[in-house]
Amino acid sequence: AQTVTQSQPEMSVQEAETVTLSCTYDTSESDYYLFWYKQPPSRQMILVIRQEAYKQQNATENRFSVNFQKAAKSFSLKISDSQLGDAAMYFCAYRGTGNQFYFGTGTSLTVIP
Amino acid sequence: NAGVTQTPKFRILKIGQSMTLQCTQDMNHNYMYWYRQDPGMGLKLIYYSVGAGITDKGEVPNGYNVSRSTTEDFPLRLELAAPSQTSVYFCASSSGPRGTEAFFGQGTRLTVV
Repeated sequence: AQTVTQSQPEMSVQEAETVTLSCTYDTSESDYYLFWYKQPPSRQMILVIRQEAYKQQNATENRFSVNFQKAAKSFSLKISDSQLGDAAMYFCAYRGTGNQFYFGTGTSLTVIP
Repeated sequence: NAGVTQTPKFRILKIGQSMTLQCTQDMNHNYMYWYRQDPGMGLKLIYYSVGAGITDKGEVPNGYNVSRSTTEDFPLRLELAAPSQTSVYFCASSSGPRGTEAFFGQGTRLTVV
């Protein structure tokens, strides 16, 4: 089974500042996808961004971007211009050639006004 | 478009009781999943299905059963509930393998007393 590690249980950021959430994974596959999901207090899991391992260009969605380092097996999420609505639990996920999604343990992000 | 719908949202169960968590999706997705979320543990896969009539065990299947008689529905059965099954349960679906994202229901908070 693949493993996904999020080493930061909690992070905080000042409103309008930038924060980076870390994620590393372990795999022997070369073809896979990585995802970041956001879980606000409502519990609803929302896809933030996805990255294909074969694409060298880092994915970007508005204020969210990733730093994908394939050789290092690292997939960090950068949130720019943080807003109060960004406060949530963030999960990193891996999906390879199998059918399963593997999730990290999550990082709880607090946004300080 | 309702997406993935889970019922109930909350439930308190006594030790030894049984119940079924319902999950239905209206996106015609072949892949469906059941996860449990415990504090600090991320999401653990209980069971998954790649199509009607096909189910497979995930990481933590003990104490649970599933069936998939239709594409839309993927109920999770808890037999002889135990306190260790106190958790938040998520149903998810995906249209295909690899890069397709998982869509989640809003979760069921289950407490076994």
